[in-house]
Amino acid sequence: GQSLEQPSEVTAVEGAIVQINCTYQTSGFYGLSWYQQHDGGAPTFLSYNALDGLEETGRFSSFLSRSDSYGYLLLQELQMKDSASYFCAVRDRAAGNKLTFGGGTRVLVKP
Amino acid sequence: NAGVTQTPKFRVLKTGQSMTLLCAQDMNHEYMYWYRQDPGMGLRLIHYSVGEGTTAKGEVPDGYNVSRLKKQNFLLGLESAAPSQTSVYFCASSTRSIARQETQYFGPGTRLLVL
Repeated sequence: GQSLEQPSEVTAVEGAIVQINCTYQTSGFYGLSWYQQHDGGAPTFLSYNALDGLEETGRFSSFLSRSDSYGYLLLQELQMKDSASYFCAVRDRAAGNKLTFGGGTRVLVKP
Repeated sequence: NAGVTQTPKFRVLKTGQSMTLLCAQDMNHEYMYWYRQDPGMGLRLIHYSVGEGTTAKGEVPDGYNVSRLKKQNFLLGLESAAPSQTSVYFCASSTRSIARQETQYFGPGTRLLVL
């Protein structure tokens, strides 16, 4: 089956940088996605990595190392509005191409 | 475009009652999904559909049934609700690109309390 591990909670101050790691185990990996979810809200798509390397989208960047089955989401210049839960998710052939989500990392940004 | 909508937004049921959650999308997406999210947890897939008239079981299908009679609608049914089904239910839809990227678009959620 598939399994993903990410830290449960991270706390940082405004303006800081936060890195959320995600390690995964799959048997037919396609790619790693990241979703953001504010309290009481719906998950929204942030980024997708299929190949090794760093993808940058504004203040957020996502990295993937397929050989290490590892990825991370980097949040830079943290703002209060970045307080949310962040989920990594993988698609793989063994799961019928469905997305499997990690348990989520709750990021708390303090002034 | 409304995106993905869900009805109702909130519902309280008594044990043993039945109900249907409706999900609708106006993006012409082929794939639709039902997830549940328990407090402080990730999303767990209940059932999904890869096209009109097709459904398949996800990770936690027991106690739920689904139907996809129209491409834009995906219904989730609880035949006999149990307190363990108290959760937030999210519907999502997606289409896949050539690069196999799949972005799922989520509805606002239905909060269900079973007493």
